[in-house]
Amino acid sequence: QQQVKQSPQSLIVQKGGISIINCAYENTAFDYFPWYQQFPGKGPALLIAIRPDVSEKKEGRFTISFNKSAKQFSLHIMDSQPGDSATYFCAAGGGSARQLTFGSGTQLTVLP
Amino acid sequence: EADIYQTPRYLVIGTGKKITLECSQTMGHDKMYWYQQDPGMELHLIHYSYGVNSTEKGDLSSESTVSRIRTEHFPLTLESARPSHTSQYLCASSLPDSGVRGYTFGSGTRLTVV
Repeated sequence: QQQVKQSPQSLIVQKGGISIINCAYENTAFDYFPWYQQFPGKGPALLIAIRPDVSEKKEGRFTISFNKSAKQFSLHIMDSQPGDSATYFCAAGGGSARQLTFGSGTQLTVLP
Repeated sequence: EADIYQTPRYLVIGTGKKITLECSQTMGHDKMYWYQQDPGMELHLIHYSYGVNSTEKGDLSSESTVSRIRTEHFPLTLESARPSHTSQYLCASSLPDSGVRGYTFGSGTRLTVV
């Protein structure tokens, strides 16, 4: 009930392309779905988050798409840049869950 | 910049030694967490605290212990380090009324036990 499954494990895209990372959750009580970005040698930092009452949230080049019925959400990075190369974690929590449950991470490489 | 600090950043230590990883935050957050991050990147919650004198074990079994004597300080101790403890350790904190929102992570301590 607490698991969050993330795919793919690694992703390589060309500069200017669209990067898409997917996550699926099981606990229908979750009400908060953030994405974190981690650069080498740093801790994860909050990138963007969504609540289940909306289907999409956009901040600059980053968009979360949320499908409540399918219990899935995804991160889209438009016009991907080499500086976006990092590890991305989805997470879910809220409701009866007192901590965030993290996905297994996606290592994104954007080729120049 | 980061308001949560972890020291040391890197540590190489021999088997059997006792070590303490430090974590301090200046944001007045009540909730603090320790995560172990394996080479495959996955984050595993090993300890958490919701306030002074409150500590709980996380999802991943760990031979480490923690203490929370002051709000701003949440150290993690390994009484006898082993090579299996080699990993990256991340500390995080959040506000009590933020639920699961607003996790702030430190930069981590990379521990190598030889």
